[in-house]
Amino acid sequence: ETGVTQSPTHLIKTRGQQVTLRCSSQSGHNTVSWYQQALGQGPQFIFQYYREEENGRGNFPPRFSGLQFPNYSSELNVNALELDDSALYLCASSLGQGDYEQYFGPGTRLTVT
Amino acid sequence: RKEVEQDPGPFNVPEGATVAFNCTYSNSASQSFFWYRQDCRKEPKLLMSVYSSGNEDGRFTAQLNRASQYISLLIRDSKLSDSATYLCVRFSGGYNKLIFGAGTRLAVHP
Repeated sequence: ETGVTQSPTHLIKTRGQQVTLRCSSQSGHNTVSWYQQALGQGPQFIFQYYREEENGRGNFPPRFSGLQFPNYSSELNVNALELDDSALYLCASSLGQGDYEQYFGPGTRLTVT
Repeated sequence: RKEVEQDPGPFNVPEGATVAFNCTYSNSASQSFFWYRQDCRKEPKLLMSVYSSGNEDGRFTAQLNRASQYISLLIRDSKLSDSATYLCVRFSGGYNKLIFGAGTRLAVHP
C-alpha cells in the first residue's frame, strides 16, 4: 500500500450540493495532487498543493477548490455539483513539487444524481 | 488533439502471449514518461518508467521513440494477473502534473 488514505470511499450527492473530500498524504510527503477520473477515461489533473499553497491548476472551474493543512493532508471542495462531476477522485502525494513519482490513494467515488 | 493518446482496446490475449501497446504524445518538449497499471475500480500504480534507451523489468519492456513521439509497452508471456488497464503517462514538470492517456484495456484469458 502507498500510505495515502482518502475519505469517504463512496459518496452520493444531489445536483447543486457541495462536497468535501479528504486525503492524508504519505509520511514525509509535502505535496498533494488531485485528479478526477471519469468512467472510461484517464485521470485528469485538478490542482496541486505544496506546503499549503496551490501550485498548479488544471482546466477545472473555480467551484473546484482545495486546501492543504500544516500536516500536509488536503481537502478537495466542489460547490454547485453537476451531473458530470460524477467520477473517481484521486489524490496523490509526492516528496516535492517537482517529483514525478506520485503515490495514489484508493480514491473517492462520487455520484451526483 | 489529446496530449497523450492510446488505443483503448480491449486487447484479448491467451495466457503466454506477447502483447504490445503504443501511445503517442503531442508535446515534443516532454521529458518524462511512465506506464501505470490500473485494476478495475482501483487507483493507478506506477508500473515502470520509460527511457529512450529502453527499460526492461522482467516480462515488461518499455521504449520511448522521441523522433516519432511514441511510447511502447511490451508484455511477454502474459499472465491472467496482467489483466488490467495500462495508462500511458507524461510528466509535465512545468505544471507539476501527470498527464494520462485514456488507457488500454488488457484481458488475458486461459
